[in-house]
Formats: sequence, structure tokens, C-alpha cells
Amino acid sequence: EPEVTQTPSHQVTQMGQEVILRCVPISNHLYFYWYRQILGQKVEFLVSFYNNEISEKSEIFDDQFSVERPDGSNFTLKIRSTKLEDSAMYFCASGREREKLFFGSGTQLSVL
Amino acid sequence: AQSVTQPDIHITVSEGASLELRCNYSYGATPYLFWYVQSPGQGLQLLLKYFSGDTLVQGIKGFEAEFKRSQSSFNLRKPSVHWSDAAEYFCAVDNNAGNMLTFGGGTRLMVKP
Repeated sequence: EPEVTQTPSHQVTQMGQEVILRCVPISNHLYFYWYRQILGQKVEFLVSFYNNEISEKSEIFDDQFSVERPDGSNFTLKIRSTKLEDSAMYFCASGREREKLFFGSGTQLSVL
Repeated sequence: AQSVTQPDIHITVSEGASLELRCNYSYGATPYLFWYVQSPGQGLQLLLKYFSGDTLVQGIKGFEAEFKRSQSSFNLRKPSVHWSDAAEYFCAVDNNAGNMLTFGGGTRLMVKP
């Protein structure tokens, strides 16, 4: 069964460093998303991406964040200068239709 | 703003017993409602969704959920729980067919043998 793949499963970085979280969505999907879950808190929407552009973004998704689909298969989330509060589990999701999303198993980001 | 509340953080049931996980939402218009399940080390998997029509929806793995507008609820049920159902369950609401989900805090289900 096809699945959304996220790498790495765990990333540790120093505060102020740039990180890129990588996702390979399911190949014929059209809608792409990033969500995150800070430990002990709810899963939060970050951004949705369709037709090579951002379609929605939350207040969390400020200028430090960016997304890209560089080569038609990968979907990346970049955090330009990480802060301690960016530590969270980041989930990528994709869907052929918006109402049925497939989530990856997440990347645990730890900012020290 | 839309919000979702799952009142039970943890629930423990015996294998074979029935299960009901509660979900209450706050939303001004007709919501799109979802239940997701997350097993350890896995991503979120869609169990079922409600957009319109029959208020009782069937999902995968024998789960069902009932939309009750008067109670602003969308509780998840299963008549007989299996040990493999132990996981965390998330209720979610959206105003745009899944484009920007708002999740509840999750309910962790444990199943006793």
C-alpha cells in the first residue's frame, strides 16, 4: 500500500540553525500539508499546498517557515532559524482529494 | 473559531467490550468531521468522516460515528474492541472539506486482555 514517507524520523539541531524536513507524498496526490504536534499539545495545522502554491497557512506559519516541492516528488518544510519552541513532531500529509488525507509517521524535531 | 474537545484523555476497556469515544465541536456552520487513529510509530490514519447526509457513518476497522447536531457531538463507537485497537484517537473538524483540520487533544485507548 502506498504511504507518505518522512525523513529523518528524528532530527536534532541547535537553536538558530536552519532545518529542512523532507516528505515524499503518495505519487498521484495533489494536495499537500504540514501539521505539527508539540509534546502534550494538539496537532496543529501549519500549511496546505496545491498547484505549486500555498493555499492556506496558519498563524504559526510565519516568515521563518517555507515549503517547497522542488522536483515533483518531494515536499519539504524549511525552518530558517529554529527556536526552542519549534521542537515538535512534524507530520506531512497528502491527498488525491482534500477530504481523505494520508499522514506520514512524522519527524521529531528537537531544538537544543 | 472552530474547536474540538475530546473530554477523555485516557480510556481503558476490556477486549470484547464496547467502546465510545467522545468528541464535541464548536463551529458556526455545518462542519466536516473526521476521526483519525494513530498507532505507536505510525502516522494518522483516517477512520471515517462526515460531510452531510446520514448522520451515522461507517468507517474502517468496524468503527462508526454518529453526528448529533443538537449536542455538537461526533462520538466514535465500536461494538467489540480488539487488542489491536489500542492507539490514540483524534477527532477533527474543518470548514473546507479537510483543507485545514482542527484537531482535538486525542484520547489514548488501552485494551485489557
